[in-house]
Amino acid sequence: AQSVTQLDSQVPVFEEAPVELRCNYSSSVSVYLFWYVQYPNQGLQLLLKYLSGSTLVKGINGFEAEFNKSQTSFHLRKPSVHISDTAEYFCAVSGSWLTGGGNKLTFGTGTQLKVEL
Amino acid sequence: DTAVSQTPKYLVTQMGNDKSIKCEQNLGHDTMYWYKQDSKKFLKIMFSYNNKELIINETVPNRFSPKSPDKAHLNLHINSLELGDSAVYFCASSQGRYGEKLFFGSGTQLSVL
Repeated sequence: AQSVTQLDSQVPVFEEAPVELRCNYSSSVSVYLFWYVQYPNQGLQLLLKYLSGSTLVKGINGFEAEFNKSQTSFHLRKPSVHISDTAEYFCAVSGSWLTGGGNKLTFGTGTQLKVEL
Repeated sequence: DTAVSQTPKYLVTQMGNDKSIKCEQNLGHDTMYWYKQDSKKFLKIMFSYNNKELIINETVPNRFSPKSPDKAHLNLHINSLELGDSAVYFCASSQGRYGEKLFFGSGTQLSVL
């Protein structure tokens, strides 16, 4: 079984400040990790993903995330946020294909990033 | 061009009614999904089809029945709607049954009164 924990339900930050959104996961098998963003009244869009290789992955809109296996974390960071980054961010894990189950993403409960002037 | 489109965007109905939500993708993907997002924004997979074959069927009441007439369409029919069915339902698609990048529709807000 897999699970994802996003400890922060809301993160307020001023424009041009750095931000980190935290994500921890648990799984008994190797996993793939994802961050999705949901803008108001829209579906989710993939920000970035970790499948294998370099533990630092870069995504769209200047976001990056680091996979830390020992801490079972996949925190999302951006060095300088913009008002347009205000959205809900979801961390997700997938590994069920190892048991032939198809791609079943398990999502965290989301973190609302609110960027203020 | 909308990649994954769902209709309707909003659906308000009475308890006990039967309703359907339609989803179409023009990305040429062979795998489609239904996710449910509750009022706390928790997202959970309901179903997945790969080339019209059901490959994921989570613990969902059998009042929910997905139908995939072809690989570009995945509809969701709900019988005897209950208050607890109120949520946002998202359709998504990917290439391959293990495709790691999902493309989501903009959601259908279902309100059961």
